[in-house]
Amino acid sequence: GAVVSQHPSWVICKSGTSVKIECRSLDFQATTMFWYRQFPKQSLMLMATSNEGSKATYEQGVEKDKFLINHASLTLSTLTVTSAHPEDSSFYICSAPVYNSPLHFGNGTRLTVT
Amino acid sequence: DQQVKQNSPSLSVQEGRISILNCDYTNSMFDYFLWYKKYPAEGPTFLISISSIKDKNEDGRFTVFLNKSAKHLSLHIVPSQPGDSAVYFCAATERETIQGAQKLVFGQGTRLTINP
Repeated sequence: GAVVSQHPSWVICKSGTSVKIECRSLDFQATTMFWYRQFPKQSLMLMATSNEGSKATYEQGVEKDKFLINHASLTLSTLTVTSAHPEDSSFYICSAPVYNSPLHFGNGTRLTVT
Repeated sequence: DQQVKQNSPSLSVQEGRISILNCDYTNSMFDYFLWYKKYPAEGPTFLISISSIKDKNEDGRFTVFLNKSAKHLSLHIVPSQPGDSAVYFCAATERETIQGAQKLVFGQGTRLTINP
């Protein structure tokens, strides 16, 4: 069964609004979670590393003020896309390392900004 | 700078035959490689991995081969089944921690279609 739960699975929002995506680890604690983004027919690109109790680490070219990450507990990380624009439309996926096991991914969130 | 490359965007194979998916990388610091399978609108599912100290790892119908000198790895699926139709991503990481491989760098993916 799924060990990483992501919500919502899809969301449509208007340009200029903010959208929050949740990523939860089920039955295990994750001090670190990773947020990826995938544009159509492209690779999954790492956006940022979410660290419980401290600031997230962003990859080069990712605006930290636009993509707010909060890792409030050992089982929950949130990604908020602020002032969303159509070019932010993408597939956002979170992942978490499970002890002695490769990364497990959530089912992703399809964001469409109109 | 695409550090992990899958040069074939798509591959079509007859059911029962062997599927071979290829992946090349440029970063010599990568020492752990993984293959993920992905269906549309879902997250990737881990398939198989290989450490740089090995050149082959087998799990059922899936075998991954690693050629470090060529910076090349491949995934073999045999026999191929219709349920194998999906997009396959190879991924690499510089360091496999005790909590599993982290900060994966993905290739662009190869869409595999298995024809009945």
